[in-house]
Amino acid sequence: EAGVAQSPRYKIIEKRQSVAFWCNPISGHATLYWYQQILGQGPKLLIQFQNNGVVDDSQLPKDRFSAERLKGVDSTLKIQPAKLEDSAVYLCASRPTGGEGGYTFGSGTRLTVV
Amino acid sequence: AQSVTQLDSHVSVSEGTPVLLRCNYSSSYSPSLFWYVQHPNKGLQLLLKYTSAATLVKGINGFEAEFKKSETSFHLTKPSAHMSDAAEYFCVVSEGSARQLTFGSGTQLTVLP
Repeated sequence: EAGVAQSPRYKIIEKRQSVAFWCNPISGHATLYWYQQILGQGPKLLIQFQNNGVVDDSQLPKDRFSAERLKGVDSTLKIQPAKLEDSAVYLCASRPTGGEGGYTFGSGTRLTVV
Repeated sequence: AQSVTQLDSHVSVSEGTPVLLRCNYSSSYSPSLFWYVQHPNKGLQLLLKYTSAATLVKGINGFEAEFKKSETSFHLTKPSAHMSDAAEYFCVVSEGSARQLTFGSGTQLTVLP
């Protein structure tokens, strides 16, 4: 079974620039999450999708962050404009509908804003 | 609202000695609890999970954890540490229909030769 694919692996941008991250979940996984992990901290949920609908985006800084999952499969997370404090690893995770556990995390995209 | 407190930010043990990583949780419902490990520059790997079955949960690589509802704890243990166990460990709680994961702040485990 292929895992959760994320790209790019690393990204360095200047503040005020824009950046996009891509996630391809495990085939058949209806639920997709984006987490932000700042250095030295645990991951924090940004947004949760169920198929192509948003379940929870209460912790997404909507003035600069956006995410979509148009066809209920791949997802894109965008930051525009980036700030220095956005430097973090952005993790994508997916799981099938129902059942306990079953989360699979991607390797993440490490973003550095300079 | 759910939350997790990892009581130690750093734990250092000698190779071959027991490991104890402490975790307390807060949850309004019957929670699911997990331990994840993160090696440097690697993704999160599930060590074990508790989902209202047996309170003593066995995981991979010799780790186990015991769910104690009266103490709201879910401590991670291993009888004998190995050098390859050195990593960051996260205690995680999940509850409700959305099944979102709430992570603790992590415990960095160092294993000394």
